[in-house]
Amino acid sequence: QVQLVESGGSVVQPGGSLRLSCAGSGFSFSSFGIHWVRYAPGKGLEWVAVISSDGTKKFYADSVKGRFTISRDNSRNTLSLQLNSLRGDDTALYYCARSWGHCLGGQCYPNDWGQGTLVTVAS
Amino acid sequence: QSVVIQPHSASGTPGQRVTISCSGSSSNIGGNYVYWYQQVPGTAPKLLIYGDNQRPSGVPDRFSVSKSGTSVSLAISGLRSEDEAEYYCASWDDTLTNVVFGGGTKLTVL
Repeated sequence: QVQLVESGGSVVQPGGSLRLSCAGSGFSFSSFGIHWVRYAPGKGLEWVAVISSDGTKKFYADSVKGRFTISRDNSRNTLSLQLNSLRGDDTALYYCARSWGHCLGGQCYPNDWGQGTLVTVAS
Repeated sequence: QSVVIQPHSASGTPGQRVTISCSGSSSNIGGNYVYWYQQVPGTAPKLLIYGDNQRPSGVPDRFSVSKSGTSVSLAISGLRSEDEAEYYCASWDDTLTNVVFGGGTKLTVL
């Protein structure tokens, strides 16, 4: 069955950096676009970014554009999110979620979700 | 402030029918699919409805959706205690080139 496992979350100081990973299994990893979505209690779900199946198309939320970078390594079935210039409002549980298509033209949605990894930005 | 608006809360008693609304614009709900997610506290979100009104395998037909213009409503009939959760609508926004989520509606089963 489809499995997505996030890792890399930790406590980091404001202005710091962190790299999150998402390992996919149980499906043809290179055939699907994958999203990052975050959840903060009291703020709800916030979409962060998506990358197309082949890694050529990337879309970002305005709140993270220029600070976060999404990438993937299809040879290792791994998705990454590089978080730079972290702020307190980036504190959240970060989920990776698979779409059911390639996401080459946008208009794709998170469907199958992992369990999340926690990022806490605090001094 | 989200570009897609949901009520903060909704409630009902077991067996009742409740609806949760979601309002957007022509750049999102009015021109693209709407998806719905259910998040039980402490767990990952679960896809509830895709492609405007399609249910994934395992989602009961107690959950249904109606869409009109730039608004959509999720209806839950025969309310059960296990339906108590946060519900989010989402749509692709052509102007932002983003997925936009509603702020979420906390459903309480009284």
